[in-house]
Amino acid sequence: DTEVTQTPKHLVMGMTNKKSLKCEQHMGHRAMYWYKQKAKKPPELMFVYSYEKLSINESVPSRFSPECPNSSLLNLHLHALQPEDSALYLCASRSGATGSGNTIYFGEGSWLTVV
Amino acid sequence: AQSVTQLGSHVSVSEGALVLLRCNYSSSVPPYLFWYVQYPNQGLQLLLKYTSAATLVKGINGFEAEFKKSETSFHLTKPSAHMSDAAEYFCAVSRGGATNKLIFGTGTLLAVQP
Repeated sequence: DTEVTQTPKHLVMGMTNKKSLKCEQHMGHRAMYWYKQKAKKPPELMFVYSYEKLSINESVPSRFSPECPNSSLLNLHLHALQPEDSALYLCASRSGATGSGNTIYFGEGSWLTVV
Repeated sequence: AQSVTQLGSHVSVSEGALVLLRCNYSSSVPPYLFWYVQYPNQGLQLLLKYTSAATLVKGINGFEAEFKKSETSFHLTKPSAHMSDAAEYFCAVSRGGATNKLIFGTGTLLAVQP
């Protein structure tokens, strides 16, 4: 079963709100990712966690704060976002610790609208 | 640096016709290549992947892709299009290393006409 579960599916938040996106996988994967996808564009990598430690931050603004509480969970905390941050946020996970051949599996995404 | 180029942002075929979506890669080392599909308002689903085991890769839903090193290509094909194949298709290449970053092409939107 290759399933990555994301909640909520839809989120509307004001620019002063604090909210979180959640991601869960029970495949035993040790690498987890956050991607951002704008309409009609490919996904763009935001963060990579490997063995619950942040290994890549693609120069993402600090109003996005990732957290990996354990090997199955990945959160993205949102605060003081801008309307241009409205997008589809995709969580993904990968089996194995090393090697380029391991497949990255994506969740269904969380649609975020900032008003 | 690794990258992929998808030729044709929009492709339209008739139901039952051949589907051909083009992807070319640039890589200084043997790449790992993937095709993902994204249906409207959904996440990305893996169609197939190339990891050097075989040059012709078969995926889900009747899709296949052939790795051609001489042409640096990994084109996606399906002999007969179905209406349900209408979606966005992304080719992606993987970097080396433990973090396994996926680099996506710009995507091709496939329309299937009745």
